[in-house]
Amino acid sequence: NAGVTQTPKFRVLKTGQSMTLLCAQDMNHEYMYWYRQDPGMGLRLIHYSVGEGTTAKGEVPDGYNVSRLKKQNFLLGLESAAPSQTSVYFCASRYLVPNEQFFGPGTRLTVL
Amino acid sequence: ILNVEQSPQSLHVQEGDSTNFTCSFPSSNFYALHWYRWETAKSPEALFVMTLNGDEKKKGRISATLNTKEGYSYLYIKGSQPEDSATYLCAFSGLRNTDKLIFGTGTRLQVFP
Repeated sequence: NAGVTQTPKFRVLKTGQSMTLLCAQDMNHEYMYWYRQDPGMGLRLIHYSVGEGTTAKGEVPDGYNVSRLKKQNFLLGLESAAPSQTSVYFCASRYLVPNEQFFGPGTRLTVL
Repeated sequence: ILNVEQSPQSLHVQEGDSTNFTCSFPSSNFYALHWYRWETAKSPEALFVMTLNGDEKKKGRISATLNTKEGYSYLYIKGSQPEDSATYLCAFSGLRNTDKLIFGTGTRLQVFP
């Protein structure tokens, strides 16, 4: 099992550009999450999904959109990147029970 | 706004020392408390998920306790080793939304040989 994978690992964008981050999991998990990690702050939830075809907002959803068209994939989109979105993005997934989350390796995004 | 606080922010200990750190969380509407271990350049890995007041969990030299009535959990490491160096995160989920975790900012542990 590959577990949770994220594509790409690194990306540099210019302000106003768009991009999509892909999270994939092969554990048949129902739940998937997107977090951002910034210095001095804990992991902050952007959006999450409790099943295929469903999404919900987390703590910091503004400027991001998500889609969960297939159970194994959770996409995070930035429509018009801003420097404030420079961060490390982590995807996670889990079963309903037990509810420990399994994290991907992260995507480092820089917006100039 | 739910707040999860961890202390200390960072800790430096000598190899062989035992250490502990604290996670504080809201004591009302408690559902679960998670501990994760996060090594530099890697992703967080679950250590424990605790749900019952008085729970004690152990994995090797690492153990954790839970007090849901007063809203705190302790993580203990016995005989620290350099490979224990990592950031230890706790995360809370409440009954109002069991789907989400609220993370603390972590305790960064460095163990010197």
